[in-house]
Amino acid sequence: DGGITQSPKYLFRKEGQNVTLSCEQNLNHDAMYWYRQDPGQGLRLIYYSQIVNDFQKGDIAEGYSVSREKKESFPLTVTSAQKNPTAFYLCASSTLGPPGDGYTFGSGTRLTVV
Amino acid sequence: QKEVEQDPGPLSVPEGAIVSLNCTYSNSAFQYFMWYRQYSRKGPELLMYTYSSGNKEDGRFTAQVDKSSKYISLFIRDSQPSDSATYLCAMSIAGGTSYGKLTFGQGTILTVHP
Repeated sequence: DGGITQSPKYLFRKEGQNVTLSCEQNLNHDAMYWYRQDPGQGLRLIYYSQIVNDFQKGDIAEGYSVSREKKESFPLTVTSAQKNPTAFYLCASSTLGPPGDGYTFGSGTRLTVV
Repeated sequence: QKEVEQDPGPLSVPEGAIVSLNCTYSNSAFQYFMWYRQYSRKGPELLMYTYSSGNKEDGRFTAQVDKSSKYISLFIRDSQPSDSATYLCAMSIAGGTSYGKLTFGQGTILTVHP
């Protein structure tokens, strides 16, 4: 079945540590995205990529980094510079062009700082 | 002021009721309008997708877009307990790298009582 796989489902991080969230898709989508979701704030865009080896900052990129070495994979690193990393992180992918039926979300990773 | 405003609720209705969910927005460049349903600890699922103004119906769901008022709505007829979820509106601008950059409302929590 085609889809997006995010792992792990739950992640705990000590303060000062970097952690990497995995996102893999087998939908042959060119574009991939990372969003952050906090209670009462909807989803906010962190980074997005439309082609391998290229990516752009979204609205809240500070404290995060990404790479896009393969079309299928778009890992997100939450660095120690991110002051409030506890949140639900969602990865998405889509074809290029207008959003619609092809814009697909993964099941999310819940990150907690302990 | 947020670009997209959505009443977070919570909204509680009896089974069989008609539910009205709404979003207002400030950016007149938005051309694509989506409604997502999100169950607890899951990724959002696309419910409805419309381009520009007008109505779109799919089963028990009707989406309306009024660009002159910068206002969109989702109506759910004959609501069911399985409709209990968070409903998110999302919008994007047409063209180039903007298509996939979705701007979300805060989400409305809906509970349908048997």
